[in-house]
This record gives sequence, structure tokens and C-alpha cells, in this order.
Amino acid sequence: DTGVSQDPRHKITKRGQNVTFRCDPISEHNRLYWYRQTLGQGPEFLTYFQNEAQLEKSRLLSNRFSAERPKGSFSTLEIQRTEQGDSAMYLCASSLSGQGYEQFFGPGTRLTVL
Amino acid sequence: AQKVTQAQTEISVVEKEDVTLDCVYETRDTTYYLFWYKQPPSGELVFLIRRNSFDEQNEISGRYSWNFQKSTSSFNFTITASQVVDSAVYFCALSEDDTSGTYKYIFGTGTRLKVLA
Repeated sequence: DTGVSQDPRHKITKRGQNVTFRCDPISEHNRLYWYRQTLGQGPEFLTYFQNEAQLEKSRLLSNRFSAERPKGSFSTLEIQRTEQGDSAMYLCASSLSGQGYEQFFGPGTRLTVL
Repeated sequence: AQKVTQAQTEISVVEKEDVTLDCVYETRDTTYYLFWYKQPPSGELVFLIRRNSFDEQNEISGRYSWNFQKSTSSFNFTITASQVVDSAVYFCALSEDDTSGTYKYIFGTGTRLKVLA
């Protein structure tokens, strides 16, 4: 039984560099979410996919951020021209389709921008 | 607007004490879902419970129990006979049945529970 996996677990980069994170959801889950969590705060919603379609994006997702979910399987989150304010834990979650199903979270990717 | 408030930033208890974590939510929808998650030091959010707005029955699972009261917009979580392994940050979250069909979570800021041996 495999849960949600994320890669890498940790990423240290210099300001201005591009980074890409990967999320592999639970195989039968159609819904996929990205959240961002900063120290001492709860996770904040970034974006949502239903299969391969990106159906909602938070205003937190600036134009430097892009997410994809080709073929409705794994998803990638790319941050271009990273800034120190992008330092956070990036969490991926997946769930079944339908009303209010619980989301299952991956271990997260901790990004540090120097 | 949606909002989840966890007023207790940090709680410390001695092992075997009972502890209640508070969660107050705001929503304009009549259909919504409430959740509790545990985030141990390892960082991964672990699902504990899901409740829909039409089911106010309290629930007990081992040492854990949940009290859902729509009249006060609260969904509180009690750990009975706490153990050191319960030490973690606990998050309450709200999800609405909105027109977008996203069911994204709105999280509270979390309560850090420290159980001392």
C-alpha cells in the first residue's frame, strides 16, 4: 500500500534559480492538491487538479509558479526565479472524487532559498 | 468567508492527563466538512477524522473523542490519558461544498501539544 510520495524531500537553492517538485498521488485518487506551509502556520491552498485539469488556483500562486498533471497521474510544481519568501514546506495531497472526502498528504518538500 | 480558529497555540500536559484541543470555524454554507490532522515532528500530516455538517453525533476512537456542536460552530478534540507519542501539532480544517467543487481545505494555525513523561 503506497501513500502519497513527494520528491525531493529537501531542496536548497540560490535566489533566482528555478526548482521543480514532483508528487505521486495514491493511484486511484482523481483529485490532487498542492499546499504551502510556513513555520508556525497551517497549510495554505495553492492549486487543485481533477484528473489532468487544473481547476482552481489560489491568488498565492504568482506567475512564477506553474503546476501540471499530465495524464492525470503525477504532478509537478515549478517555481521560477525563486525568492527567499518562497522558502516553505510544499505539501501535496490526493483524495477520491466526491463530496468532502479526506485528503491524504505526502511527506512534503522543504524548500530553502538562500 | 471561511475561517478556522485554533486559539490554543501550545499546550503542555503531563502523561496520563486528559487534554482538549479547541476548534472554532466560520462558514456560510450549510453543507461542509470538518477534519482533524496530526503533524508529528516528522512533518507528515496524518488524517484523524472527518465529519460532515449534518452529522452532529460525537465520535470516540480509542483514546480520541470529538465533540461537534453546530450551535457554537465548534469541533473540539479530546485525548484521554495522553501519552508522550501524542506530542505533535494538531490541525483542524474546514472544507465547503462550494460551486467550484474543489473541496480545498482551510486550516487553522494548529495547536502544538507537548506531553511530558
